[in-house]
Amino acid sequence: GAVVSQHPSWVICKSGTSVKIECRSLDFQATTMFWYRQFPKQSLMLMATSNEGSKATYEQGVEKDKFLINHASLTLSTLTVTSAHPEDSSFYICSAAGAGATYEQYFGPGTRLTVT
Amino acid sequence: SQQGEEDPQALSIQEGENATMNCSYKTSINNLQWYRQNSGRGLVHLILIRSNEREKHSGRLRVTLDTSKKSSSLLITASRAADTASYFCATRRISSGSARQLTFGSGTQLTVLP
Repeated sequence: GAVVSQHPSWVICKSGTSVKIECRSLDFQATTMFWYRQFPKQSLMLMATSNEGSKATYEQGVEKDKFLINHASLTLSTLTVTSAHPEDSSFYICSAAGAGATYEQYFGPGTRLTVT
Repeated sequence: SQQGEEDPQALSIQEGENATMNCSYKTSINNLQWYRQNSGRGLVHLILIRSNEREKHSGRLRVTLDTSKKSSSLLITASRAADTASYFCATRRISSGSARQLTFGSGTQLTVLP
């Protein structure tokens, strides 16, 4: 089946710094990638949808200048949390969809971000 | 935004028993999917049921869909301790077109006691 990886799997950073999270589709071309955020014991909330080569579409309430998304290739999307604050601490999950994929989306294993 | 609600929020059963989780949603959908998430891990796709289907089986899983009531249920038969996880329903709205956006329910935390 299709595999999506995320790197890093966990990261701790200090307030005010920026953190980049990578999402890669390993064996298929992801024309669309999605970024979700999940707080403890809560559901996944869609943050943004990105199509390869174009600007991401952000969900209402998500600051696009704070959460920078780049989808420069069919196998890689990055999420950069800029000027991170403790309230940005969360589990970030990406998913990918592509032509020919069996399922709607394939999910990455997630990245645990802790901002101190 | 959250599309649906799931109940129960938490379910604890003995190994061997059946577990039933319900999901309700609000808008017309293209399909509904169920995912499983082990604590601190990513999501695993379990089953997809299209809006024109009423029931689907996959191994020990049985999913039903009632579009008139905008609800779905996931039944896990003969549960095992390894089934302990959070289960989420997710819907793809008809209006999402090619965007393939999914909206997740609130989830059910299932604990299967050995």
